[in-house]
Amino acid sequence: DGGITQSPKYLFRKEGQNVTLSCEQNLNHDAMYWYRQDPGQGLRLIYYSQIVNDFQKGDIAEGYSVSREKKESFPLTVTSAQKNPTAFYLCASRAGTGMNTEAFFGQGTRLTVV
Amino acid sequence: GENVEQHPSTLSVQEGDSAVIKCTYSDSASNYFPWYKQELGKGPQLIIDIRSNVGEKKDQRIAVTLNKTAKHFSLHITETQPEDSAVYFCAACRSSASKIIFGSGTRLSIRP
Repeated sequence: DGGITQSPKYLFRKEGQNVTLSCEQNLNHDAMYWYRQDPGQGLRLIYYSQIVNDFQKGDIAEGYSVSREKKESFPLTVTSAQKNPTAFYLCASRAGTGMNTEAFFGQGTRLTVV
Repeated sequence: GENVEQHPSTLSVQEGDSAVIKCTYSDSASNYFPWYKQELGKGPQLIIDIRSNVGEKKDQRIAVTLNKTAKHFSLHITETQPEDSAVYFCAACRSSASKIIFGSGTRLSIRP
């Protein structure tokens, strides 16, 4: 059953702690993305990766870090430098080669700072 | 920088009527324009997309139109039903691996 999986669904973090959100896909996609969504707001790009071992900053990369060591995995770390991390985080992937195609999204991780 | 503007931010229509959402993009190199539907607490899902080599595409009650000269594209939903209530996002991108720029979303409500 192919798809993109985010875990956990809900995550609570104490102030000052780093936390890592998982994103795994078995669609053999080259490109992967992380978006942040605040209540009633649109999707803002944090980081994206076009290929393994390479990634680029999006519009709101400050306070976040990523890695892309494997094609199927693109974890996002929310660091203590992110001043307002409470949000809904969405990971997406798409083919990355050939014709421009749709992105598939995971079901999201809701992060709350307590 | 690249930008996608989406209007309106909220839209309420009577069940059975049509709904139209409009988007404008800034990057003239964009050539792929997907539309996503997001239900509460879930990830967005593609409902229809259009590439720059066509001006219109239709799938049952949903249609999208594209005007490359004016750099705008629109989503049309006809015969709206309660299950159409959701948030809709337009997007634009250049190539298969490039970043995808999303509009700010439209919350569509269908009145019974």
